[in-house]
Amino acid sequence: DTEVTQTPKHLVMGMTNKKSLKCEQHMGHRAMYWYKQKAKKPPELMFVYSYEKLSINESVPSRFSPECPNSSLLNLHLHALQPEDSALYLCASSQGLQEGYEQYFGPGTRLTVT
Amino acid sequence: AQKVTQAQTEISVVEKEDVTLDCVYETRDTTYYLFWYKQPPSGELVFLIRRNSFDEQNEISGRYSWNFQKSTSSFNFTITASQVVDSAVYFCALSGGGGSTLGRLYFGRGTQLTVWP
Repeated sequence: DTEVTQTPKHLVMGMTNKKSLKCEQHMGHRAMYWYKQKAKKPPELMFVYSYEKLSINESVPSRFSPECPNSSLLNLHLHALQPEDSALYLCASSQGLQEGYEQYFGPGTRLTVT
Repeated sequence: AQKVTQAQTEISVVEKEDVTLDCVYETRDTTYYLFWYKQPPSGELVFLIRRNSFDEQNEISGRYSWNFQKSTSSFNFTITASQVVDSAVYFCALSGGGGSTLGRLYFGRGTQLTVWP
């Protein structure tokens, strides 16, 4: 089973709201990733967790706060977002951080900030 | 620095035509990995293939085939007898080098393939 699940599929939120995106995988993978993707662009890496520890933060604004409660779950907490944060947010996982491991992606959450 | 170039922004073909998506990469690493992903309109990136820098054998999987040539730093993807369901954005990606690049996939800009019935 190479499935990564994400909830919700769609999210509309105001600039003062607080919401969370959730990601889950049951492949025993030890690395998990958050990406942001704008229309007609490739995914941009935001955060990487390895063995439940934050390994990479690509200078993402603090209004995005990641959390990895256990090896299967990854959350992205959102607060005081801006309209330009509207995008597709993709979660991915891989066996580890080593270069050769392919990443498996979830279906994404389409976020609209009004 | 790692870089992937997909010069074809959009390609349109009619069903049953063969189509090749180009991917050119740049890296100074001797060990690296190349990937192709498919992103249909639904949004999920689907992993298609991984190839390491030491394996230049071409690969065929059904209607899909990949041509890896280190001499030209290319990893091209051919779809034979295209179908409407092949319509998607296809991304080529590169990883390698370790250190600060560990955990990072370097994506090309993607090629939008449209297959018309």
